Amino acid sequence: AQSVTQLGSHVSVSEGALVLLRCNYSSSVPPYLFWYVQYPNQGLQLLLKYTSAATLVKGINGFEAEFKKSETSFHLTKPSAHMSDAAEYFCAVSESGGYQKVTFGTGTKLQVIP
Amino acid sequence: DAGVIQSPRHEVTEMGQEVTLRCKPISGHNSLFWYRQTMMRGLELLIYFNNNVPIDDSGMPEDRFSAKMPNASFSTLKIQPSEPRDSAVYFCASSLGGDNQPQHFGDGTRLSIL
Repeated sequence: AQSVTQLGSHVSVSEGALVLLRCNYSSSVPPYLFWYVQYPNQGLQLLLKYTSAATLVKGINGFEAEFKKSETSFHLTKPSAHMSDAAEYFCAVSESGGYQKVTFGTGTKLQVIP
Repeated sequence: DAGVIQSPRHEVTEMGQEVTLRCKPISGHNSLFWYRQTMMRGLELLIYFNNNVPIDDSGMPEDRFSAKMPNASFSTLKIQPSEPRDSAVYFCASSLGGDNQPQHFGDGTRLSIL
């Protein structure tokens, strides 16, 4: 069975500071991993996805994530936070096998302080 | 390209009334998902269709909830009779087939049952 744990339901950073949002997964088979962002009153939007081609994945808006199998982690980072990054971020895992069921984490709300 | 289109965006109705939420997936996508999002329970998968066929409805809360997908371009989620605890934001998402395909979300329907 697959699962996702996001550490920290709320994270606050200063504008210009490093953003680090943590995600650990559990999967019995090689996983596919995703990060989504949700702005107020909108649906989730894909930031980036890992599909085993490269361990460091670059996404939109300057975000990137690194897949670390030994740590079962897929943390999301951005070198310099911008006010527009304030949103809720969801990590998600999908297992290979054709079922296409995605398990979402509980989300992390990012606050950017000016 | 048009994204996933949901209607209505907002619905306020009284307890006991029938509620119908509508979704138009992205053209060419063959998988469709209905989710419910609340503060208490986060994002919950209600039902998943593949090629218009319900594959997994284990997340449907109870018999008051039903979902249909009569064709590749339309799906409905119905609640009858509605109850205050059904108040939530309901999202529809679609994707291409395959475990490594991201889901594309609509902007949701904010449902309030009085």
